[in-house]
Amino acid sequence: EVQLVESGGGLVKPGGSLRLSCAASGFTFSTYIMNWVRQAPGKGLEWVSSISSSSSYIDYADSVKGRFTISRDNAKSSLYLQMNSLRAEDTAVYYCARFVVVTAVLDYWGQGTLVTVSS
Amino acid sequence: DIQMTQSPSTLSASIGDRVTITCRASQSISSWLAWYQQKPGKAPKVLIYKASSLESGVPSRFSGSGSGTEFTLTISSLQPDDFATYYCQQYNSYFLFGGGTKVEIK
Repeated sequence: EVQLVESGGGLVKPGGSLRLSCAASGFTFSTYIMNWVRQAPGKGLEWVSSISSSSSYIDYADSVKGRFTISRDNAKSSLYLQMNSLRAEDTAVYYCARFVVVTAVLDYWGQGTLVTVSS
Repeated sequence: DIQMTQSPSTLSASIGDRVTITCRASQSISSWLAWYQQKPGKAPKVLIYKASSLESGVPSRFSGSGSGTEFTLTISSLQPDDFATYYCQQYNSYFLFGGGTKVEIK
């Protein structure tokens, strides 16, 4: 069974940092493009970042470019998101999600982890 | 940049109703469009991929159509489990979601 389990969320002050983790199981993690998608309270879905299977290709939404860093450890089947210089508008539930190239969909999602940026 | 416009933002319907949600892209995205269902406090679940292909395990009352810039998600007979928020999503080197359509009980 495919499982994605996020952790690392919490309350942080503006300007602070947080590192999210996503532990994957039930599939060959090293062969999939992985993503972070966030959802602010009561709002829609916003793609944050993608990383290719070998980490050779990385992309970010303009809203987080220069502040967030995505990475992965295929040996540990884990995905990470280092978030620096956090702002109030980064408050959201952060989901990790698996991308299937042939269908261009995010077919499995974690349960999400809440990040709250507030003083 | 491509823009995705989803309508309506809220839809009130009754059990058994036929429901249609529209998603428009600001430029052609061929058939690279997916539809997701999200319930409160839960992660989104994919319903349709490549505009009209039904994801495995999704009830056949859900269907998708369209290509280019205009797409629709149709629920042929609304069931109690279908009250949720629906999002369209395009992929063109990055992901872009529509604003969502909340399907409420009339």
